[in-house]
Amino acid sequence: DAGITQSPRHKVTETGTPVTLRCHQTENHRYMYWYRQDPGHGLRLIHYSYGVKDTDKGEVSDGYSVSRSKTEDFLLTLESATSSQTSVYFCAISGTGGTEAFFGQGTRLTVV
Amino acid sequence: DQQVKQNSPSLSVQEGRISILNCDYTNSMFDYFLWYKKYPAEGPTFLISISSIKDKNEDGRFTVFLNKSAKHLSLHIVPSQPGDSAVYFCAARGVYKLTFGKGTLLTVNP
Repeated sequence: DAGITQSPRHKVTETGTPVTLRCHQTENHRYMYWYRQDPGHGLRLIHYSYGVKDTDKGEVSDGYSVSRSKTEDFLLTLESATSSQTSVYFCAISGTGGTEAFFGQGTRLTVV
Repeated sequence: DQQVKQNSPSLSVQEGRISILNCDYTNSMFDYFLWYKKYPAEGPTFLISISSIKDKNEDGRFTVFLNKSAKHLSLHIVPSQPGDSAVYFCAARGVYKLTFGKGTLLTVNP
């Protein structure tokens, strides 16, 4: 299995609070991604990174920010959590910009 | 605007028969296509891929076919096994990133 770890695995938070999810990799891959999975929507890209401090928006980036200060860590922050951000979040890594991406086990986030 | 479409939310087949999962895309700039398999409470796992310069790729029981003119790809699983029961996602590569379909739930009945 690719060395990719997401933390926390489960979190319940209140509306309006900030939340940070962490993705850590040991593969030294250049590309890292955050997706969310929701019923009826499949996997949707939130943000991605193509190098340290190089990030870009995906299709559902509103309400989210990311940071990548070192190769191995990619952080996803919900500045002020809303109930619509209740979801399962997956981090993925790729060495080749998408020819094959490896996924973490996911973080289940519930905003109440 | 959905660029990768999996129009069948679910598919049920008998063990030993063929499973065919379909995927359509709209962006002609996609150059690489992948299939992922996902079990509940786990992350998606890579299954098989195909470059846009090919029309077929085979790996054991799994074969992916690409029809560029129709912007259509399919995944064939032969023979299907109960352990293949999962959600299958089609994905297409643009610049640096993958765009996924909504997934098809495959159920293989013993």
